[in-house]
Amino acid sequence: QKEVEQNSGPLSVPEGAIASLNCTYSDRGSQSFFWYRQYSGKSPELIMFIYSNGDKEDGRFTAQLNKASQYVSLLIRDSQPSDSATYLCAVSFGNEKLTFGTGTRLTIIP
Amino acid sequence: EPEVTQTPSHQVTQMGQEVILRCVPISNHLYFYWYRQILGQKVEFLVSFYNNEISEKSEIFDDQFSVERPDGSNFTLKIRSTKLEDSAMYFCASSELGVAWGYTFGSGTRLTVV
Repeated sequence: QKEVEQNSGPLSVPEGAIASLNCTYSDRGSQSFFWYRQYSGKSPELIMFIYSNGDKEDGRFTAQLNKASQYVSLLIRDSQPSDSATYLCAVSFGNEKLTFGTGTRLTIIP
Repeated sequence: EPEVTQTPSHQVTQMGQEVILRCVPISNHLYFYWYRQILGQKVEFLVSFYNNEISEKSEIFDDQFSVERPDGSNFTLKIRSTKLEDSAMYFCASSELGVAWGYTFGSGTRLTVV
C-alpha cells in the first residue's frame, strides 16, 4: 500500500514567521509531488507541485523535495492569518491518481 | 479564472436511493476525476476518466458507482443504491495534461445519506 504521511498538527506559527510543513511517502518510484491548501468546508486548492530534487519557489511558498529520504516539505514565509488552513500533501505514484496525506492543520497567530 | 463547477452543492437522500452528482470541468481539460472526503478524513481517489473511458478506479469505486460524460461539457458520478457510509464530500477535478500538472478541484457536493 502506497502511503503519504503528514503530522496532523495543529501547527501554530506567529504571524510573520516561517511555517514548515512536512510529508513523507512510501514509494521510491513516486514521480510528482503536490501541496494543496484546504480551508474548512472547501475544496483543495493547488499551491505548488515539484518533480525534481531541490527547492522550488513561488512567492512566499517554497517546496523542497528529497527523493533519497522520501521527504517533501513546504515552507511558507512571512505567514499571514489568511494562511490558516489545512495543508494537504499529495503524491502521484506513476498513475493518474493522487494519494493524499491526512493534512496538517496550520494556525497563524496574529 | 476558469472553474470546475459542481451541482448540487448539498444533496440529502434516503438510503437505497440513486443519486447523480454533476460536474462541468474546465473547457479545454481532457482528464477528469472524482474524489471523496468523509468528514475529518483523507481525500480519497475514486476514478479517473480520459478519452471517454475510465482509466483507473479505486477499490471504493465498486459496481454501485458509475461515471459518464453524456455530452461535451458534463461529467457525472452516479451512485445506484446509496448507503449511509457514502455520506461524504464529493469533489470533481479536471486537468489539461493529466496528473503531472496537478488538478483543479470543483467546490464539491456534500452528500448526506439518511
